[in-house]
Amino acid sequence: DAKTTQPNSMESNEEEPVHLPCNHSTISGTDYIHWYRQLPSQGPEYVIHGLTSNVNNRMASLAIAEDRKSSTLILHRATLRDAAVYYCILRDFRNTDKLIFGTGTRLQVFP
Amino acid sequence: DTEVTQTPKHLVMGMTNKKSLKCEQHMGHRAMYWYKQKAKKPPELMFVYSYEKLSINESVPSRFSPECPNSSLLNLHLHALQPEDSALYLCASSQDRGNRPYEQYFGPGTRLTVT
Repeated sequence: DAKTTQPNSMESNEEEPVHLPCNHSTISGTDYIHWYRQLPSQGPEYVIHGLTSNVNNRMASLAIAEDRKSSTLILHRATLRDAAVYYCILRDFRNTDKLIFGTGTRLQVFP
Repeated sequence: DTEVTQTPKHLVMGMTNKKSLKCEQHMGHRAMYWYKQKAKKPPELMFVYSYEKLSINESVPSRFSPECPNSSLLNLHLHALQPEDSALYLCASSQDRGNRPYEQYFGPGTRLTVT
């Protein structure tokens, strides 16, 4: 399974944008890029996914590098509720059952 | 309703006990999953059920026995566990398998302590 690398932790102030990076230099052509987050004392929650093009939804934006070796999850205005561990996951579309979580980035948001 | 429910929320059991964890979803999802999460670690996949049949077992010890009685229910039967099996057990569900990256919906988990 392809591996992702994320910073262990990041900090942000409330209402500021947050850019969470993820490196996946060994990504293959059949890998989707998924982001999940896990709020304290909760199960993980889907955030967004993409294959090659940038993606937007109500929660966040996903910017994917042209060579697909890295991506960035963008939270446009961080709130206190966004404090969580954010996981960047590569998911092979030939075997979409498997979510292999990496170590993730713990995001702290300050008022 | 996009909810996955898990019972119980907390469970304490001795090493000789037999207990079961229960997971339920009413979203019509045909794939269901068990994950194990140790403190301050990411979730690790244990089992995958697709259309009520076990499709993936990630080399999980036999003291963990999954069961999918119907498309809405997933159980995890526990027997002769060890203290190192103490963890948060997460259930998830998603739409059909195939080459579509359907999102997985997770329950809140059962926090298991083995004494």
